This record gives sequence, C-alpha cells and structure tokens, in this order.
Amino acid sequence: EVQLVESGGGLVQPGGSLRLSCVASGFTFSNYNMHWVRQAPGKGLDWVSYINSRSSTIYYADSVKGRFTISRDNAQNSLFLQMNSLRAEDTAVYYCARRGDIGWYAFDIWGQGTMVTVSS
Amino acid sequence: QSALTQPASVSGSPGQSITISCTGTSSDVGGYNYVSWYQQHPGKAPKLMIYDVSNRPSGVSNRFSGSKSGNTASLTISGLQAEDESDYYCSSYRDSSTPWVFGGGTKLTVL
Repeated sequence: EVQLVESGGGLVQPGGSLRLSCVASGFTFSNYNMHWVRQAPGKGLDWVSYINSRSSTIYYADSVKGRFTISRDNAQNSLFLQMNSLRAEDTAVYYCARRGDIGWYAFDIWGQGTMVTVSS
Repeated sequence: QSALTQPASVSGSPGQSITISCTGTSSDVGGYNYVSWYQQHPGKAPKLMIYDVSNRPSGVSNRFSGSKSGNTASLTISGLQAEDESDYYCSSYRDSSTPWVFGGGTKLTVL
C-alpha cells in the first residue's frame, strides 16, 4: 500500500524549533518529488515547500523562507521539515504530499498529517 | 487572502449538478494546464480528484469533471450524492519562486 506517515508535531513556544518527518512506503521514494502543505485550524490548504527527487531543486513559500528547511534521505525513504523561529501563525496540521504519478504538478498521495501548535 | 479565488460555499440537492469555480490569473490558472482539485472531509487528508485541469485519477468517480476557460477553472459534480458533501480546493502551478498555490476552499452542502 502506498503510504506517507508524518511525525514530529507537538506544542512549542514562539521562537522555538521543531523537526517534522515523513516516512514513505509502498513506492520508490527516490523517484518522486515531494511537498509539505499545511492547514491552520479551520482554514484552507497552504503550500509550504517542495524538494525534487535529488534535492537539487527546493522552493519555499514566502511566509516560511529563511525559517524552514526541507530535506530528504532517499536511503531512509524519509522527508523532513526543520522549522525554526516558529510563530503563532505557523500553527497548523502539516501534511507531506507526493508529486503526482501522472499529473506531475498535482499532489496525489497525502499523509494523515501532524499537528504543530505554537503557543506560550 | 488566497491567490486563487473560490466561492466559500455551494449547495445542491441529491441528483443535481453543481459547479465550483477557481479564478486565478494568466500567471497561474490561465497560463498552465496544471490545475488540480482536492476533496477533504472533516479531519481527513485531502484526496486528489482532478489533475491537469480535466483528468481523473484511477478510482475517482466519473461524476467528477474539470474544465478551464481563460483564468477560471471549474469542477463539476453531477448526480450529487450525500457522500459528496465536503470541502473542495483547487490548486495551480505558476511561474514563480513559489510555484504552487491553493484556492481558499469551497464547502459543498448536499441538501
């Protein structure tokens, strides 16, 4: 079964750091570009970051640029999001998502999400 | 404010058809055939319903269809069923240093 499982969320104080992980199974992770997408409570989807299969191309949303770092370990089938200088507005469910198998600009497989709460 | 504009809500009765619009610009929706649509039930992860404007992934009902005209893309659901009640989001690729953008989402109510 094709699956993505996120972990690493939790409660953190403003200005703190957190590292999210996403483990892939059921497909050849190293062949796929990956994304992080977040959703604040009661709000819509918000694209966060992208990394291609070889980590040679990376993009960030303006709201997280300079604070978040996306990375991956193809040997461990894992995607990461290092989040520093966290703000209250970063509070959200964070999803990892796979580039579409056919529609390369879509997100075809999503994890269940991990909740990040930034609060004092 | 989301980069792509969707109506906040739409509604329809069982068996009817509804259309959800997604309006962008010539730099995103109008410039590329890379619009996708997602269904999200409460507390669940989004599910891909349409990719590349009008293509359905395997397993998605043919009651779901997509189209585009100019800077506006549309998702049409025909033969509405109670299980279609959900939030729907559009997304588009764009020529930008932030290449992906979502719409604000539309809540579909089946009356």
